[in-house]
Amino acid sequence: DGGITQSPKYLFRKEGQNVTLSCEQNLNHDAMYWYRQDPGQGLRLIYYSQIVNDFQKGDIAEGYSVSREKKESFPLTVTSAQKNPTAFYLCASSIDLTAYEQYFGPGTRLTVT
Amino acid sequence: AQTVTQSQPEMSVQEAETVTLSCTYDTSESDYYLFWYKQPPSRQMILVIRQEAYKQQNATENRFSVNFQKAAKSFSLKISDSQLGDAAMYFCAYLNDMRFGAGTRLTVKP
Repeated sequence: DGGITQSPKYLFRKEGQNVTLSCEQNLNHDAMYWYRQDPGQGLRLIYYSQIVNDFQKGDIAEGYSVSREKKESFPLTVTSAQKNPTAFYLCASSIDLTAYEQYFGPGTRLTVT
Repeated sequence: AQTVTQSQPEMSVQEAETVTLSCTYDTSESDYYLFWYKQPPSRQMILVIRQEAYKQQNATENRFSVNFQKAAKSFSLKISDSQLGDAAMYFCAYLNDMRFGAGTRLTVKP
């Protein structure tokens, strides 16, 4: 079955540690995205990538980093510089940036204490 | 920056009745797409319906339809014959800029 996987579903970290969230897709999509979801704020764009080895900052990129070494994979690292990292993180993909329709993974709930 | 506004944080509907969720957006583009996504308690985002701005005809998908008013920049979602499984958060999205509204929580009463 084609789709997007995110692992793990729940992640717990101590403050000051970097943590990497996984996102893999087998839809053969060129574009991939990372969003953060907080209660009452909808989804906010962290980073996006339209092709391998290229990515762009979104609205709230500070404290996050990404890589896109393979078409299928777009991991997100939450660094210790992110002031309030506890949130629900959603990964998405689309055929390309012009196709706009995005397909989502199941999300990762990150809790930092 | 382009914005997407959902003015109804919560809505409630009786089972089998009809409910309309509101969305307005801001853009200077003439060609774009608009979307409604559903997020049930599982938190999986599910595409409900999409509308191409160049199409004057409103999109429909079974019990879901939209009222797209391009000049007013309004994009409402109508759910007919509401079912218990429709209970979820609903997000309006303008994905040309990868923007989502804050969401409307829909409750369906049996």
